[in-house]
Amino acid sequence: EDQVTQSPEALRLQEGESSSLNCSYTVSGLRGLFWYRQDPGKGPEFLFTLYSAGEEKEKERLKATLTKKESFLHITAPKPEDSATYLCAVRRGSQGNLIFGKGTKLSVKP
Amino acid sequence: NAGVTQTPKFQVLKTGQSMTLQCAQDMNHNSMYWYRQDPGMGLRLIYYSASEGTTDKGEVPNGYNVSRLNKREFSLRLESAAPSQTSVYFCASSGGWNTEAFFGQGTRLTVV
Repeated sequence: EDQVTQSPEALRLQEGESSSLNCSYTVSGLRGLFWYRQDPGKGPEFLFTLYSAGEEKEKERLKATLTKKESFLHITAPKPEDSATYLCAVRRGSQGNLIFGKGTKLSVKP
Repeated sequence: NAGVTQTPKFQVLKTGQSMTLQCAQDMNHNSMYWYRQDPGMGLRLIYYSASEGTTDKGEVPNGYNVSRLNKREFSLRLESAAPSQTSVYFCASSGGWNTEAFFGQGTRLTVV
């Protein structure tokens, strides 16, 4: 069964304390892994797409990496405004729709 | 550029009532999706439309119907609302099967 698991469920960091979020997946015919950010009361906001193992993408303090079984979202020197829920999703080749993990809720304290 | 627009933003229904959630995108995307988000469950796909004129069931289609009215619009209908359908509903669109999906701001639905 296709599955996406994110860990930890919640993460509390002090401002400037770097860390990583994990997304492990089992899916047949992976056609992309996607990271989204979701603020309370808002829709998910697209961050990154990764297509193949070894691929990396960066945006400000965020860096996403991909292996054959998991992806990491590295947060370097986070700020309070990075507080949000981060969602990971994979797209299957047969249907093209997204399968989401349950998310990691990140809180960054000043 | 509005992106994906959903209406209404909030709705309260009584059990057994019907309603239609509206979604429109202005990005000329082929594919559109309806998800529901519940605490502890993550986002789950209800229905999707890979292209104009086609619709397919997702993970949790029971109790819902959809209409792809044209390339821009994709509506979700609850024929007889049940308390189990209390959720936040998100519409999304993507340019193709291998590109990112963009989401609307959501509709918070409560069925009492």
